[in-house]
Amino acid sequence: KAGVTQTPRYLIKTRGQQVTLSCSPISGHRSVSWYQQTPGQGLQFLFEYFSETQRNKGNFPGRFSGRQFSNSRSEMNVSTLELGDSALYLCASSQSSVAYEQYFGPGTRLTVT
Amino acid sequence: AQRVTQPEKLLSVFKGAPVELKCNYSYSGSPELFWYVQYSRQRLQLLLRHISRESIKGFTADLNKGETSFHLKKPFAQEEDSAMYYCALSGSGNTGKLIFGQGTTLQVKP
Repeated sequence: KAGVTQTPRYLIKTRGQQVTLSCSPISGHRSVSWYQQTPGQGLQFLFEYFSETQRNKGNFPGRFSGRQFSNSRSEMNVSTLELGDSALYLCASSQSSVAYEQYFGPGTRLTVT
Repeated sequence: AQRVTQPEKLLSVFKGAPVELKCNYSYSGSPELFWYVQYSRQRLQLLLRHISRESIKGFTADLNKGETSFHLKKPFAQEEDSAMYYCALSGSGNTGKLIFGQGTTLQVKP
């Protein structure tokens, strides 16, 4: 089975712009979670989608949003980018509603200048 | 508040020495605890979870609810164990949400 894929792998944006990141889960997985990883804050949960519905949300401003499509692929969007949004964004997929094992993608490295 | 604390940023041991990576958590209900590992240039992956009570690559971890700890142990460290280790918590009902500790880098010297 192919693993979780994320596109693009690297991205450079300017302050004020918006960005969309994509995540394709492992085939058959219905849950997708997103995390932000920074040297200072570590790994922080953004949100989780299951069967196209947002099931959990972390403590991030409304500029961070996401969605999930019927094929379980997910996108996250960050509007009005700030320098502090520079981070590695990881997505993880899980097979069922009981997400005891999450499979992580390689991440998208976002740099905001 | 839900929180996971890994007090050591770096743990350096010699090959063959015992290893204990510390993890303490704060959660008011019944959490699920995990250890994830990231080897150099690889993805973050699950090492073990407390609910399965299994040993993976010689590592074990016991959930101590009294001390709210979930320390990761291995009796004899190998060089290939060098990696970043993250302790994570998932609260009941928050199935897709993992709260991670800051991580501990384990360095096993030859």
